[in-house]
Amino acid sequence: IAGITQAPTSQILAAGRRMTLRCTQDMRHNAMYWYRQDLGLGLRLIHYSNTAGTTGKGEVPDGYSVSRANTDDFPLTLASAVPSQTSVYFCASSDSAAGGYGYTFGSGTRLTVV
Amino acid sequence: RKEVEQDPGPFNVPEGATVAFNCTYSNSASQSFFWYRQDCRKEPKLLMSVYSSGNEDGRFTAQLNRASQYISLLIRDSKLSDSATYLCVVTPQKGGSNYKLTFGKGTLLTVNP
Repeated sequence: IAGITQAPTSQILAAGRRMTLRCTQDMRHNAMYWYRQDLGLGLRLIHYSNTAGTTGKGEVPDGYSVSRANTDDFPLTLASAVPSQTSVYFCASSDSAAGGYGYTFGSGTRLTVV
Repeated sequence: RKEVEQDPGPFNVPEGATVAFNCTYSNSASQSFFWYRQDCRKEPKLLMSVYSSGNEDGRFTAQLNRASQYISLLIRDSKLSDSATYLCVVTPQKGGSNYKLTFGKGTLLTVNP
């Protein structure tokens, strides 16, 4: 692993199903984030974690939950998927208090909820 | 006013052209500013940071005007490989979490042969 790995790369999911998007980093970054990207709306922060054991809500947290049991992993769970959660999901990490420096993104998960 | 606003584009320019992107931000206490580049169906990647004194990296020049809350990116001598979406990015003020980036919606640039 080099950088951030997201899985799966893409997924078609039936509405009402539970789904966990995986994110793992090997850079020992303390902060991790989940964004969703939608056409016309740009990247929006779902949840974040400043350090292992802590999480916080971003701009669009409803319908999503996260956990940060260790430094490397930051899974995003959709408890009961709805079609409006169809999006591209990006996980990111950083190790600087300034955020933008050393901010690394995963390659994304394309999720379609039908 | 949205937190970060960019020219919606799209911009279509010929190779060799100079193109400028503009961005405004609403929070006067914002601390750090960046331009990211995102290729089609790929993740965003840091292009350059933006300083009040200006920042130049080859054909790319970024400027910050704190008084006007305005950020710009200038690309000179455009190449086909510059075709991408350019994202204006801002970090919040100190006191909150400094880690969270706020992204503009992006401006699509297509450089034509």
